[in-house]
Parts: sequence; structure tokens; C-alpha cells
Amino acid sequence: SQQGEEDPQALSIQEGENATMNCSYKTSINNLQWYRQNSGRGLVHLILIRSNEREKHSGRLRVTLDTSKKSSSLLITASRAADTASYFCATGTGRRALTFGSGTRLQVQP
Amino acid sequence: EAGVTQSPTHLIKTRGQQATLRCSPISGHTSVYWYQQALGLGLQFLLWYDEGEERNRGNFPPRFSGRQFPNYSSELNVNALELEDSALYLCASSLTGTGWNEQYFGPGTRLTVT
Repeated sequence: SQQGEEDPQALSIQEGENATMNCSYKTSINNLQWYRQNSGRGLVHLILIRSNEREKHSGRLRVTLDTSKKSSSLLITASRAADTASYFCATGTGRRALTFGSGTRLQVQP
Repeated sequence: EAGVTQSPTHLIKTRGQQATLRCSPISGHTSVYWYQQALGLGLQFLLWYDEGEERNRGNFPPRFSGRQFPNYSSELNVNALELEDSALYLCASSLTGTGWNEQYFGPGTRLTVT
């Protein structure tokens, strides 16, 4: 079953613009992780944010977590064509099983 | 440092056959996870192995099984293959410990059942 749901399902922007993706989930979590997937291959780990954290940064990535609203957002600043990929949020609720959302397909136009 | 590796890259099997997929974790990682990414169903958790033991199992039938070897590599076996088993199978690894750690994924094995 899907725990996280990303919004929007698809996003098309120009190079240099910022991209914001949102993730909502239903149950209490231990942590939330964001991943990138290129062309149906393996997942690249981007950021892990724990339930007691509100914001984390990594390079051009900024992740926020609002446990009261059961939501998270991923912001990619100054996007590049190479950022074109599908982005997934995954929630960790126990016993190490990540539950993934359906993903946001990001297209960055050069 | 080498990442998670999986073999084979592609696997084509006939309905009713058995498939064996292999995974080598990142050096120093003792936990291995298996996920299935099937069209229309998204990424679903299959199995978690740590220190050679199965620790957690997703909502999959018993014909999905696996094991973890002393060197922490892992095998996923799928018996009596069905057409709907066609999917990308992803392996991930993480450090052990009582809490959560990042799960790092391999490139996947694409299984096609005809």
C-alpha cells in the first residue's frame, strides 16, 4: 500500500528555475527519505530527515518535514537538465521497511 | 568505494521457472533489503536481512524467498514464476544498528517472465 503520495505527479521547468515537490503520508513515521531515479534504474539516495528534524540541506537540495501535517517537501534550487528524473519520498515506520510514494516526474528543459 | 551491486542486469524466464537474483552490499553494511518495482504498483518492500537472518517480510507470497551469506551478500529466489512477477528488483544495503539508517540502492535486476 502507498504511504506517501507525491504532488505534483509531473513537473516541467526551465533550467535555472527552482523545483518543489511535496509528499504527504498517513501514519506516524520514524524518518523520511528522498530518492531520485533515472530512467527506471536504481535509486539514488538524496536526504534522510528524522521525525525530530524540521529541515535539512544538501547542496542544492532542501528538505522540510512537518509531522503535524504529515508532509514533506523537496526543493531543488537552480535546476539543471541533469536533474531530470523521477523523485520519490519514502517513509520509514518500523522494521526497516521503506514505504514509497508514487513519485514526481521532473523534466528540466535546457 | 563501490556501491551496491546486483546481477544479472536482465533476466528472462518462462512462467513456472525459478529465478535467482544476487546482491552485494556496500562494504561495511550488514543489512540488505529487497524491493520490487512493478508497473502500476510502485516500489514495494519485499525482504530485510541482517546478520544472516530474515528480519522482516513484506506482503508477498512464500514463493519469494532469499538468504544472506556470511559475507553479507544476498540472494532473492522467486519460485513458480508468474507473469506478474515481471518487474525491476532493487536491492539496498545499510549499516546495522538499532535505529534507522540510509538505504543505498543498487542498479536493479530487470526480470521478464514470458
